[in-house]
Amino acid sequence: GAVVSQHPSRVICKSGTSVKIECRSLDFQATTMFWYRQFPKKSLMLMATSNEGSKATYEQGVEKDKFLINHASLTLSTLTVTSAHPEDSSFYICSARDRVFNEQFFGPGTRLTVL
Amino acid sequence: LAKTTQPISMDSYEGQEVNITCSHNNIATNDYITWYQQFPSQGPRFIIQGYKTKVTNEVASLFIPADRKSSTLSLPRVSLSDTAVYYCLVGEYSGGGADGLTFGKGTHLIIQP
Repeated sequence: GAVVSQHPSRVICKSGTSVKIECRSLDFQATTMFWYRQFPKKSLMLMATSNEGSKATYEQGVEKDKFLINHASLTLSTLTVTSAHPEDSSFYICSARDRVFNEQFFGPGTRLTVL
Repeated sequence: LAKTTQPISMDSYEGQEVNITCSHNNIATNDYITWYQQFPSQGPRFIIQGYKTKVTNEVASLFIPADRKSSTLSLPRVSLSDTAVYYCLVGEYSGGGADGLTFGKGTHLIIQP
């Protein structure tokens, strides 16, 4: 089956620093990747849609200058949390859409803790 | 997107059949019903998807009545490892599709020995 990986799986950083999270589709090409955020005991919330070679589309209330998304290839999208603060601590999950079969597959998630 | 309503939590025991019902009164003609499973600190995993009647795979069955205003995920002979949050999603996509997914609150299923 299709596999989506995320790196790192968990990261702890100091307030004010930037953190980059990678999302890779390992055995398929993904023209579209999605980024979600999940706070403890809450559901997943879609943050943005990342399209290969173009600018990401952000959901209402998500700051595009704070959450920088780059989708430079058909197998890689990155989410950079800039000037992270403790309230950005969350579980970040990506999904990738297989462009052939039009199915979405989720990554294992990245736990971000900002001190 | 059609709104979904599920029980917040359910308890059962190993070896039992568990049925989780989801209400989606405003489901549209082109909408599919998809269920995901999520373990703590992991990404969601696709379980099953259907449009009408009954769908069965190696993991679960999905029952959808004729009016499609609700659906029931059936997990046969559950084990402790089935303890997870189960999400019911309704949307105009098959297998996930081109749009980001809207997750509701989900049902926290707890299986006891």
